[in-house]
Amino acid sequence: DIVMTQSPDSLAVSLGERATISCKSSQSILNSSNNKNYLVWYQQKPGQPPKQLIYWASTRESGVPDRFSGSGSGTDFTLTISGLQAEDVAVYFCQQHFDRPFTFGQGTNLEIK
Amino acid sequence: QVQLQESGPGLVKPSQTLSLTCTVSGASISRRGYHYSWIRRHPGRGLEWIGYIYYGGNTQYNPSLKSRVTISLDTSKNQFSLEMRSVTAADTAVYFCARDDDSSGIGSFDCWGQGTLVTVSS
Repeated sequence: DIVMTQSPDSLAVSLGERATISCKSSQSILNSSNNKNYLVWYQQKPGQPPKQLIYWASTRESGVPDRFSGSGSGTDFTLTISGLQAEDVAVYFCQQHFDRPFTFGQGTNLEIK
Repeated sequence: QVQLQESGPGLVKPSQTLSLTCTVSGASISRRGYHYSWIRRHPGRGLEWIGYIYYGGNTQYNPSLKSRVTISLDTSKNQFSLEMRSVTAADTAVYFCARDDDSSGIGSFDCWGQGTLVTVSS
């Protein structure tokens, strides 16, 4: 299985500041035939299902604010939230769908400092 | 707009079978190009993909659960179901049904049910 490792496990950031979450895969999840990274970022708030924010590592889902951005390739990926807002408090997960079984990172709990 | 909704017992006894159903509205489950998955989140832990089903009833499962799991399709009711046998306390989790999308790739879940908590306890 491809292991997805996020860091940090927990993060506290002041309102208006930048939050950065890292995700590393145990093997490359870049498909060389289409040059796509099979990496998704989700946001999950208490009592709600995960919400897809970013797919193909850097493509923002429709309706997601542009303060959310994804970057990286191969095995190293980053989710950046620029200008943190109170409603961004949540757990963030990365997930690979390059190979089955699809696997998720352990989650990063984002709080307001 | 596609919506998914899980249903089923919230309490299952150890060694028995967990059975959940996901009802899909706003789209035909028979339509090609989509995969319908079950995913769970253990309390305080990460997410685990259980398996998916797609057009024609074809399935793929997580090898870690394959021996205990069956996912099936009921096109007449626009539903798909999860059966997990011989459950233990380790299967206590919130279970989600989800669908992926052609544009973001198989296994990229853009639509989720609200989730249902299943507790395994005597």
